[in-house]
Amino acid sequence: DQQVKQNSPSLSVQEGRISILNCDYTNSMFDYFLWYKKYPAEGPTFLISISSIKDKNEDGRFTVFLNKSAKHLSLHIVPSQPGDSAVYFCAASDRGSGNTGKLIFGQGTTLQVKP
Amino acid sequence: SQTIHQWPATLVQPVGSPLSLECTVEGTSNPNLYWYRQAAGRGLQLLFYSVGIGQISSEVPQNLSASRPQDRQFILSSKKLLLSDSGFYLCAWNGGPATGELFFGEGSRLTVL
Repeated sequence: DQQVKQNSPSLSVQEGRISILNCDYTNSMFDYFLWYKKYPAEGPTFLISISSIKDKNEDGRFTVFLNKSAKHLSLHIVPSQPGDSAVYFCAASDRGSGNTGKLIFGQGTTLQVKP
Repeated sequence: SQTIHQWPATLVQPVGSPLSLECTVEGTSNPNLYWYRQAAGRGLQLLFYSVGIGQISSEVPQNLSASRPQDRQFILSSKKLLLSDSGFYLCAWNGGPATGELFFGEGSRLTVL
């Protein structure tokens, strides 16, 4: 049972344009959502997060949008840069279920930003 | 400052051989610790997590086991590796009780032949 889904395995955009990465979830108990960036042969690094009490969080070029009724979130990167090329993972957690802190990840989307 | 390390970085093992991957966290106490695996096309799958010494929770049935012999040490093991155990294994910690993020180690690439 895949509770967090990223249905687009890959995305290619031109440098300077917007990149939009999408993520869907099924568990209505999830209340905290995160995006991670991963380069080959390295561990993922935290990018941005959003709590379920918000519908938008912005940090520089990165904005995450949350639509709770649709159980959907998206990451917008504007403007996209070649250095943004990586695999992006969406993750979710149920912080009300105790102090486990575990994150459930999607399958990842490989972003390629072309110069 | 807190850091997380895991080793070895790369491992090639024959089917049926044992496995031991080690992860340590520095600069903190009583962290939550996690083992994830990235297999081709499967994303990051949570294998085990631990909220304290000797406390292990398994997320998926599998050929692997985990142990936490010390507060800041987390070990992933197998007695007999299968081909399907190949993948990129990642250790992570929770960064402290107030954060919601996980912080990952450098990863260990396991190839079972």
